[in-house]
This record gives sequence, C-alpha cells and structure tokens, in this order.
Amino acid sequence: ETGVTQSPTHLIKTRGQQVTLRCSSQSGHNTVSWYQQALGQGPQFIFQYYREEENGRGNFPPRFSGLQFPNYSSELNVNALELDDSALYLCASSLGGPNTEAFFGQGTRLTVV
Amino acid sequence: AQSVTQPDIHITVSEGASLELRCNYSYGATPYLFWYVQSPGQGLQLLLKYFSGDTLVQGIKGFEAEFKRSQSSFNLRKPSVHWSDAAEYFCAVVPYSSASKIIFGSGTRLSIRP
Repeated sequence: ETGVTQSPTHLIKTRGQQVTLRCSSQSGHNTVSWYQQALGQGPQFIFQYYREEENGRGNFPPRFSGLQFPNYSSELNVNALELDDSALYLCASSLGGPNTEAFFGQGTRLTVV
Repeated sequence: AQSVTQPDIHITVSEGASLELRCNYSYGATPYLFWYVQSPGQGLQLLLKYFSGDTLVQGIKGFEAEFKRSQSSFNLRKPSVHWSDAAEYFCAVVPYSSASKIIFGSGTRLSIRP
C-alpha cells in the first residue's frame, strides 16, 4: 500500500467521449504526476502538478489536461477520446524534486471502444 | 537522443537461479537511476535507486544494482530468484533538468520456471 489511491479502477468509454480520472496523493505530498502505460510498454510521462500549477508536460496533445486541488489531489481529463487512448493510467505522488521517491497508485484501466 | 534501453523483452529463469536484468541509458550527464517492479494489474513499486556515491546499490526483496558509468549501464541482479519475483521490471531515469519527470524503459518480463 502506497497511500496513493486512484478511481475508478476500470472504465469503458466510447470514442469521442470525455473522461475524468482521479488521484488522491499520499499524505504530505505536494507533487502529482500522471503517466500513460499502453499494453506491453513502459509508462509515458503525461504531466506533473506541483502546488496546483503544471510543472512539466510530456509529448501529449492538449486534449489531455489536468488539475491539482488545494489538498493536492488531482484529476486527469481526456477529451475527444481515441482508440489509442486505451491504456493504464498511473498517478504518482511525491515531495517533488528529482531525487525524491515517487509513490504510484494502482492505476485506472481505460478502454476506449 | 535521450533514452533508456532494456534489451531483454522476456527472460525465464529457474527458481533459485541467479538473475541479471540489463539497462542502458543515453543522457549527457549521469541521471538519477531507478528500478521499479510491476505485478500484473498493479502499480509500480520502487526496488532501488542510485543518486551518487557507492556504485553498488542494495534494494528491497534482495535485489541489488550496479551503476557503471563507462558503460552507461545500471543492471539489476538477484542471487537467487523466488517464484514471487515473476513480474515486469522497469529501469527508469530522472534527468537532472526534468523536474522529476521519470523516463521508463520498455520493461523486461520475468518468468520463473519451477
């Protein structure tokens, strides 16, 4: 148990729809990062939030957006879903900085049909 | 180009045998280095990390890794594997300038032969 919880655990959406994934970070952690893990691949960095501000973004289109709330929980929103968005979405919380440990949640399995 | 390479997609070893999983990175300067493990349907768990200092790093579950600057490698080892070690293993780096963005390799799937 890492103390990072994600919801929902699984969901199925139709192409073109919008989805919101949620992450509750470990107590005391002010940094949340989101990763997309396609089947058979390593996780790919989507973006990071530090104290409610975006603090780095990977190579993902603008239809991937996020929020971090004052309690440091976070949301990942994906608009206009495409079939290739089907993946495991992982949230990681940390104290920030490159030499601090990131704690991962169990992930949300998104299937787009 | 910056990258993390795990050349072995799938490895099978017998229970009790030794294990070595390979990882090479390509960055201008030595980044922070990590190994994570992922069991089926689970999130990622940190096995060990290297920031600086002693190049042989001890981790959890009996794993260790050795940083070799001359080879840009950070291979993971275990003297004797257990059936519960069957999982996906990811080598990862955090470049100094990345604001803690983790870059993962493509993973090595470990199977254990009884």
